[in-house]
Amino acid sequence: DSGVTQTPKHLITATGQRVTLRCSPRSGDLSVYWYQQSLDQGLQFLIQYYNGEERAKGNILERFSAQQFPDLHSELNLSSLELGDSALYFCASSVEVGQRNTEAFFGQGTRLTVV
Amino acid sequence: AQSVTQPDIHITVSEGASLELRCNYSYGATPYLFWYVQSPGQGLQLLLKYFSGDTLVQGIKGFEAEFKRSQSSFNLRKPSVHWSDAAEYFCAVGGFGVNDYKLSFGAGTTVTVRA
Repeated sequence: DSGVTQTPKHLITATGQRVTLRCSPRSGDLSVYWYQQSLDQGLQFLIQYYNGEERAKGNILERFSAQQFPDLHSELNLSSLELGDSALYFCASSVEVGQRNTEAFFGQGTRLTVV
Repeated sequence: AQSVTQPDIHITVSEGASLELRCNYSYGATPYLFWYVQSPGQGLQLLLKYFSGDTLVQGIKGFEAEFKRSQSSFNLRKPSVHWSDAAEYFCAVGGFGVNDYKLSFGAGTTVTVRA
């Protein structure tokens, strides 16, 4: 158990809909990262938040957004869903003390299926 | 830009035999390197990491990896494979500091263990 909790584990929804994925980081971790894992794209970095503020953006679509709340949990919002958004979405967290030599701990992922 | 190449998409190995998974990276600075394992339906678990120092790194589950700067490689090895080692393995480069906030993953190597 990494200590990172993601809910729900599975989500099935229709095209055009909007969903929210939730992540609770490890206790004490200030940074949250979102990754998308799909068969054709592999593991892609989407976005990072640090202590409530957006820190970095990767290959995140404009239809997707995220936020980190004061209690440090994070939500990834996916809207106007398309079939191609079907993927496993991972959340990771790290302490991030301003140095590069930290590591990320990953949650179990949320499997999103768009039908 | 940072990138990782895992040349082997799929490897089959007999139980008890040795295993080596290849990883080549591209990174402009001193790389921070990681190996993660993903079992079916599970999240990513960190096997080992290299930040600095001894180039031979020991990890969990009996795995080790060797950093070779001259070859830009970080190959993962295990002397004797167990059936439970069947999984997908990901090599990653990057770090989680203030200015280097993401991991770049390779495409992964699927390991099948035969009895």
